[in-house]
Amino acid sequence: RKEVEQDPGPFNVPEGATVAFNCTYSNSASQSFFWYRQDCRKEPKLLMSVYSSGNEDGRFTAQLNRASQYISLLIRDSKLSDSATYLCVVNRDDKIIFGKGTRLHILP
Amino acid sequence: ETGVTQTPRHLVMGMTNKKSLKCEQHLGHNAMYWYKQSAKKPLELMFVYSLEERVENNSVPSRFSPECPNSSHLFLHLHTLQPEDSALYLCASSQEGGQSFNYGYTFGSGTRLTVV
Repeated sequence: RKEVEQDPGPFNVPEGATVAFNCTYSNSASQSFFWYRQDCRKEPKLLMSVYSSGNEDGRFTAQLNRASQYISLLIRDSKLSDSATYLCVVNRDDKIIFGKGTRLHILP
Repeated sequence: ETGVTQTPRHLVMGMTNKKSLKCEQHLGHNAMYWYKQSAKKPLELMFVYSLEERVENNSVPSRFSPECPNSSHLFLHLHTLQPEDSALYLCASSQEGGQSFNYGYTFGSGTRLTVV
């Protein structure tokens, strides 16, 4: 079993809709969690950290469920510019593990 | 323009060539990383330098040779590569220590390498 798993998608979502995807991690000792965004043929960029209490940044909400060992990303009122690959990143003992990413296509 | 600059952006090299990738960070970070991103695979960590010392080498073939002359610069020297080494090579930096990774990594734009 991979340490960090994501549904590769693609998720095809109409503009304005709400979309959510999860990332599961296998090691309960994982300490910190992040969502990165990667546009086609570009470098990954930090979208947001994920805190235990859940956190929101504009249209984006991230949540952590330690009991079930997953993190989630919710995007409200999706925009065409949200089309990208979203990478789940887990930090365990200063080892950084990236998921394969979930591809999101926002449809006009 | 990010705080991490990589050159060249694109590189085509033959299997007998020797080339180097360069990474420079202007963020005052104390750790730098080389990652490889192949199609349909997750990012693969290759090398980690913390305070200019190599702290991790993830079983990378010796045809890849990193160099970190100071905390702002990182090189990846390439020689006798194989076509399967074609990939996007990303440099990243971070501030190590304590909970500092909570600020995440900053990636460079990458070098897209094609080995012919």
